[in-house]
Amino acid sequence: EAQVTQNPRYLITVTGKKLTVTCSQNMNHEYMSWYRQDPGLGLRQIYYSMNVEVTDKGDVPEGYKVSRKEKRNFPLILESPSPNQTSLYFCASAPSRESGRADEQYFGPGTRLTVT
Amino acid sequence: GDSVTQMEGPVTLSEEAFLTINCTYTATGYPSLFWYVQYPGEGLQLLLKATKADDKGSNKGFEATYRKETTSFHLEKGSVQVSDSAVFFCALCPYNFNKFYFGSGTKLNVKP
Repeated sequence: EAQVTQNPRYLITVTGKKLTVTCSQNMNHEYMSWYRQDPGLGLRQIYYSMNVEVTDKGDVPEGYKVSRKEKRNFPLILESPSPNQTSLYFCASAPSRESGRADEQYFGPGTRLTVT
Repeated sequence: GDSVTQMEGPVTLSEEAFLTINCTYTATGYPSLFWYVQYPGEGLQLLLKATKADDKGSNKGFEATYRKETTSFHLEKGSVQVSDSAVFFCALCPYNFNKFYFGSGTKLNVKP
């Protein structure tokens, strides 16, 4: 089944304790992205990657890191989480431009993170 | 910069009522426009899209027309069902397919 998976789905942690949220897609998509969803603000893009070893900042990158060493994986790293990073996080992927559907994103199920 | 503005919710309708959710955008050039739907506890799913002016996207009875003159992409459905209850997001993607911009979401509640 074509899908985007995220782990963990739920995480409660404390301020300053490094954490990683994994994202993996099995559709051979070139584009991957991370978003956070907050009430009243919709989805805001954190980082995106056009292909392996190519990453760029979205609108809210502060406090986050990403890496794209393999095409299928795009982990989100919080080196020192703070309470204002409590949110619902979504990973997404999209096909290559050559497919003609580069603007059609597929979303993972979400990771609810609470930082106390 | 690019942005999307959509009507605030929640929107509460009775079954078989007509639905309109307004969406306007600001963008340079000619972006692609989308509606995504999020059912409770799930990720977002692409509902429909339009890639150029006057295009109409449609899916599952929902429709939206890309209006460049009014910079709008309003979502409509002629007869909503209880199963349509969800949060709807309007979004845009610039011509270079890198960044995506989402509206704040509109929650739809449909009562039997």
